[in-house]
Amino acid sequence: QQQVKQSPQSLIVQKGGISIINCAYENTAFDYFPWYQQFPGKGPALLIAIRPDVSEKKEGRFTISFNKSAKQFSLHIMDSQPGDSATYFCAALLSSGSARQLTFGSGTQLTVLP
Amino acid sequence: DAGITQSPRHKVTETGTPVTLRCHQTENHRYMYWYRQDPGHGLRLIHYSYGVKDTDKGEVSDGYSVSRSKTEDFLLTLESATSSQTSVYFCAISGLAGDSEQFFGPGTRLTVL
Repeated sequence: QQQVKQSPQSLIVQKGGISIINCAYENTAFDYFPWYQQFPGKGPALLIAIRPDVSEKKEGRFTISFNKSAKQFSLHIMDSQPGDSATYFCAALLSSGSARQLTFGSGTQLTVLP
Repeated sequence: DAGITQSPRHKVTETGTPVTLRCHQTENHRYMYWYRQDPGHGLRLIHYSYGVKDTDKGEVSDGYSVSRSKTEDFLLTLESATSSQTSVYFCAISGLAGDSEQFFGPGTRLTVL
């Protein structure tokens, strides 16, 4: 059962444009929502994250928008650069006692054209 | 890679053989995790540990076992490897500055023939 659905699967954006990746989740018990960036041959790197009591978080050119009632969150990359070309994963964390289970979306391959 | 090393980085093995992957951390994080990454599936949690000798199952634990006898080492064992276990395996850690943030190692590419 896929609890975190991510779209689109691939995205092509011109340099300087805005990249938008969307995720939807089912389990309302998730309490932490990170985004990861992964380059080929490397491990995922934590990019930015948000908790459900906040509707927006911005770090540099990266912004997470969170809609708790719709159970959706999105990543916006402003002024996209060719160096942003990578695969992006959203995720959702379930914490209960000592349990920590992170569920990932299926990924979005972003290509930023020069 | 947040003080995480994985070994080996690449391995080719045959169906039915046992395989052990090692994750080593240098920063005394409480939590350690094993994920597998396959095309179209993102990363899926196999097992995780919240302390020495304390482990729990993740989403895709069948066919895998883990052990953590020291804080710094987390081992993933495939008792009898199958072709369906061909994947890239990532170790992650969390627990120093809050245990929600997970940091990933460089990965191990495993091919089971």
